[in-house]
Amino acid sequence: DSGVTQTPKHLITATGQRVTLRCSPRSGDLSVYWYQQSLDQGLQFLIQYYNGEERAKGNILERFSAQQFPDLHSELNLSSLELGDSALYFCASSVWASGRSADTQYFGPGTRLTVL
Amino acid sequence: KNEVEQSPQNLTAQEGEFITINCSYSVGISALHWLQQHPGGGIVSLFMLSSGKKKHGRLIATINIQEKHSSLHITASHPRDSAVYICAVSGGDNFNKFYFGSGTKLNVKP
Repeated sequence: DSGVTQTPKHLITATGQRVTLRCSPRSGDLSVYWYQQSLDQGLQFLIQYYNGEERAKGNILERFSAQQFPDLHSELNLSSLELGDSALYFCASSVWASGRSADTQYFGPGTRLTVL
Repeated sequence: KNEVEQSPQNLTAQEGEFITINCSYSVGISALHWLQQHPGGGIVSLFMLSSGKKKHGRLIATINIQEKHSSLHITASHPRDSAVYICAVSGGDNFNKFYFGSGTKLNVKP
């Protein structure tokens, strides 16, 4: 158990809908990362937050948004869902984030999203 | 072109064999990560390294910064090592972006 929790575990929804995925980082971790893993594209970095502020953006679509709240939990919002958004969405956390440094990330169990 | 290339894509070994998985990257990095993804989907970080060599039990990771190359070695492989191994780098303009290899699926037979 990494200490990172994600809810829900599974989510089935229809095209055009909007969903919210939730992540609670390990106690003491200030950074949260979101990743998407689809069958055809592998793991992709979406976005990173550090202590409530956006730190880095990867291949995140405009239909997707995220935020990190004062209690450090994070939510990933996916809207106008398409079939291609079906994937595993992972959240990870780490203690801190710094320009030229990196630290170990602890991954949550993931949320499996199925768009029908 | 992918920023991170891994080889091989698939690897089958007999229990006890020495295994090597390779990773090459093309961006400037602050660190390289080796991840293990179990058949159930969970991801575990095995190593984070920015230079030299690290060892945890039967696993060894090395990195050559000049050649932009890393290797993950498994000594005395065991069926429980069967998993997907993923190389990732912290890189990009502010070193806070992450780029992933496509993974190496390892199957260790008893």
